[in-house]
Amino acid sequence: GENVEQHPSTLSVQEGDSAVIKCTYSDSASNYFPWYKQELGKGPQLIIDIRSNVGEKKDQRIAVTLNKTAKHFSLHITETQPEDSAVYFCAASRWLVVGGATNKLIFGTGTLLAVQP
Amino acid sequence: EAGVTQSPTHLIKTRGQQATLRCSPISGHTSVYWYQQALGLGLQFLLWYDEGEERNRGNFPPRFSGRQFPNYSSELNVNALELEDSALYLCASSFQAGETQYFGPGTRLLVL
Repeated sequence: GENVEQHPSTLSVQEGDSAVIKCTYSDSASNYFPWYKQELGKGPQLIIDIRSNVGEKKDQRIAVTLNKTAKHFSLHITETQPEDSAVYFCAASRWLVVGGATNKLIFGTGTLLAVQP
Repeated sequence: EAGVTQSPTHLIKTRGQQATLRCSPISGHTSVYWYQQALGLGLQFLLWYDEGEERNRGNFPPRFSGRQFPNYSSELNVNALELEDSALYLCASSFQAGETQYFGPGTRLLVL
């Protein structure tokens, strides 16, 4: 079945260091991969997303890389700050695949990132 | 621009009762999605509505149902509540089917 594995489950870094979170998906038809940040008591907030026709995307301190052959994608946060502390979720879905669009996001299990000042 | 709004923020029910949760999408968005975030189970897809129709359903029993109104707002109904239904219920909306999903703050349901 559809599954997304996410590692690590917890990650502690010093302020200014980089953080990397990795995800692997099982559905080879997946072609859309968003990342969400969830702070305590709030809903998930989209921070970056990538579609399968792109191998890498960057937005300031955040970047995502995608390897479709290996079916894995990663989130990279550089120059981490205490306000980056939150739970991060990766997700995968079939986006507008003819005859197979589901548009449901399959989420990873989340990574609790703690940035120590 | 206002984001996705959900009401109520918290809901306490007893086992066997019914719960109704509401969601208003971002203005201009036609697709609404519901997810359940239960402790230890992560975020799981429940339902997807687009243009008033149910388009996809997750692996949940039929007592989880909903609808989308002509103004694209949506309602999630959970009948015959069970203790394990206690969770944060998140609504998301997208401009069109398949576009980026933006989440609301959620409704926290507690079943006693």
